[in-house]
Amino acid sequence: SAVISQKPSRDICQRGTSLTIQCQVDSQVTMMFWYRQQPGQSLTLIATANQGSEATYESGFVIDKFPISRPNLTFSTLTVSNMSPEDSSIYLCSVWGLTSADTQYFGPGTRLTVL
Amino acid sequence: GQNIDQPTEMTATEGAIVQINCTYQTSGFNGLFWYQQHAGEAPTFLSYNVLDGLEEKGRFSSFLSRSKGYSYLLLKELQMKDSASYLCAVRRGNTPLVFGKGTRLSVIA
Repeated sequence: SAVISQKPSRDICQRGTSLTIQCQVDSQVTMMFWYRQQPGQSLTLIATANQGSEATYESGFVIDKFPISRPNLTFSTLTVSNMSPEDSSIYLCSVWGLTSADTQYFGPGTRLTVL
Repeated sequence: GQNIDQPTEMTATEGAIVQINCTYQTSGFNGLFWYQQHAGEAPTFLSYNVLDGLEEKGRFSSFLSRSKGYSYLLLKELQMKDSASYLCAVRRGNTPLVFGKGTRLSVIA
């Protein structure tokens, strides 16, 4: 299994500001994933963060709005830029387990409210 | 693309059995996953099927038919604490999971 921590656990932000969310994993992993879960909705993949290369973004998500860093094999950050109330969501970091038959693990999430 | 469909809501009685269905359409299928998510919490893994058939884990079982693009999650001896959202997710190759919209299950006395 993988143990994932995120900071902050929650935040309330003003429109137009930016927030950086941190994700720390207890083991080295090649890929880390960032998901968004809007209120009452399921999880939507934002991007895949690869160490040593640019993140790969899903349709509808762009680097200017959601810049991602991946400085090493256990850490990543997601920034939500120029926030609007529509960005109010839970943001979750996720990794695959260490074996090929393993599952995908999720961090506890960061609950963001934009006023 | 991938289409994953599951019912939006279900209600069942404590002690009963409930089956939550999931249908999917995808290429490069590499596994179907079920997660449980309580309100305000992160999803937690329940089960994984990559071959056809039934996987049983205590009160929870999951079934897969790859030819039909169909899976179900079976919950037996329902308890109040089973009230949660149940998320069906598909893995395509080595890509991250793609989730359905989730089924919100309410267990009533």
